[in-house]
Amino acid sequence: NAGVTQTPKFQVLKTGQSMTLQCAQDMNHEYMSWYRQDPGMGLRLIHYSVGAGITDQGEVPNGYNVSRSTTEDFPLRLLSAAPSQTSVYFCATQQGYEQYFGPGTRLTVT
Amino acid sequence: GDSVTQMEGPVTLSEEAFLTINCTYTATGYPSLFWYVQYPGEGLQLLLKATKADDKGSNKGFEATYRKETTSFHLEKGSVQVSDSAVYFCALSDQGGNAGNMLTFGGGTRLMVKP
Repeated sequence: NAGVTQTPKFQVLKTGQSMTLQCAQDMNHEYMSWYRQDPGMGLRLIHYSVGAGITDQGEVPNGYNVSRSTTEDFPLRLLSAAPSQTSVYFCATQQGYEQYFGPGTRLTVT
Repeated sequence: GDSVTQMEGPVTLSEEAFLTINCTYTATGYPSLFWYVQYPGEGLQLLLKATKADDKGSNKGFEATYRKETTSFHLEKGSVQVSDSAVYFCALSDQGGNAGNMLTFGGGTRLMVKP
């Protein structure tokens, strides 16, 4: 039982490049979400999904797209990376009160 | 909107010292409150929770009491260990505790415990 997995662990992009951060879970949780973590600001919600085929925006959605074609996968797409998107990205699932976080992806945009 | 305010760190303590990390919140409804812990290089893990006023959450020697009158949820531990060194996040959920909640996080407090 791997829980929540994220790939890659580290990524460096140039401004304007695109990429997809992968998130997968094997716990059959309906709710999944993406956060970014910046120093002193805690975690801020980017997008979330309450089930396959359903996504919605969180607090800071601009510059990011998501889709949820299966229960297991919830990829986060950066269409045109900007230096302001340099951050650590966490994917999470939820069951009841508890959220389960992946190990994170550290993204640097130069 | 909802918000969570934590004391700024880092907090540096000696082993076996008493720990308090302050957390206050602003919410429109009756939120559930959480403390999450993040060890170096890892994602966040739920440490404890409280879902209604006067509830006390506890786990691994840590405690926090949901105080509605002061809108606070301070984290305490009587005797910290080096292994408690981590970043601690206070968070709230204002949607009744069911699946599909969104969490609002505080900025995090780094705790460093010296032997």
